[in-house]
Amino acid sequence: EVQLVESGGGLVKPGGSLRLSCAVSGFRFDNSRMNWVRQAPGGGLEWVASISGSGRDIAYTDSVKGRFTISRDNAKNLLHLQMSSLRAEDTAVYYCAKDMGIWYYFEFWGQGALVTVSS
Amino acid sequence: ENVLTQSPGTLSLSPGESVTLSCRASQSVTGGYVAWYQQKPGQAPRLLIHGTLSRAGPGVPERFIGHGSGTGFTLTISRLEPEDFAVYYCQQYGSSPPTFGGGTKVEIK
Repeated sequence: EVQLVESGGGLVKPGGSLRLSCAVSGFRFDNSRMNWVRQAPGGGLEWVASISGSGRDIAYTDSVKGRFTISRDNAKNLLHLQMSSLRAEDTAVYYCAKDMGIWYYFEFWGQGALVTVSS
Repeated sequence: ENVLTQSPGTLSLSPGESVTLSCRASQSVTGGYVAWYQQKPGQAPRLLIHGTLSRAGPGVPERFIGHGSGTGFTLTISRLEPEDFAVYYCQQYGSSPPTFGGGTKVEIK
């Protein structure tokens, strides 16, 4: 059974940092491209970042470039998102999601981790 | 980026009715690479359709039908079941970055 379990969400002040993790099981993690997708409260979905199975190929949406860093630990089946210089508009549920490898549609999702940026 | 617009924002329907949801792209979607997701309150999105019309496995009922090309795509749900009341999102993955529509909520009348 495929499982993706996020952790690390919480309340952080503007300008602060937070690290999300996603523990993965049930599929071959080290050759799977992984993503973070977020959803603001009451809002729609926004792709945030992706990382290839090897970790060599990384992409970000423009609004988080220079502030967020996606990484992975293939030995531990873990995906991470290091978020810094957080802004109120980063408040969202963050989902880790596995895409179809060649195509950027999202086959499996975690349950989400809520990040709230507020003073 | 390719902006997706879904309409209407909300639909109020009764079980047994059929509905067609619209998704319009600001640019032609390469290869018809459009997916549809269903999301219920407090849950993660669930993949229903990819490649415009391919159901995402045997767990997706045949009443979910995807169609379209170019800049216009639709998701038809035939004979709504109680479990179909949810928010539906389209997504394009024909160009980078992948983008989502704003969603259509299908609610019980």
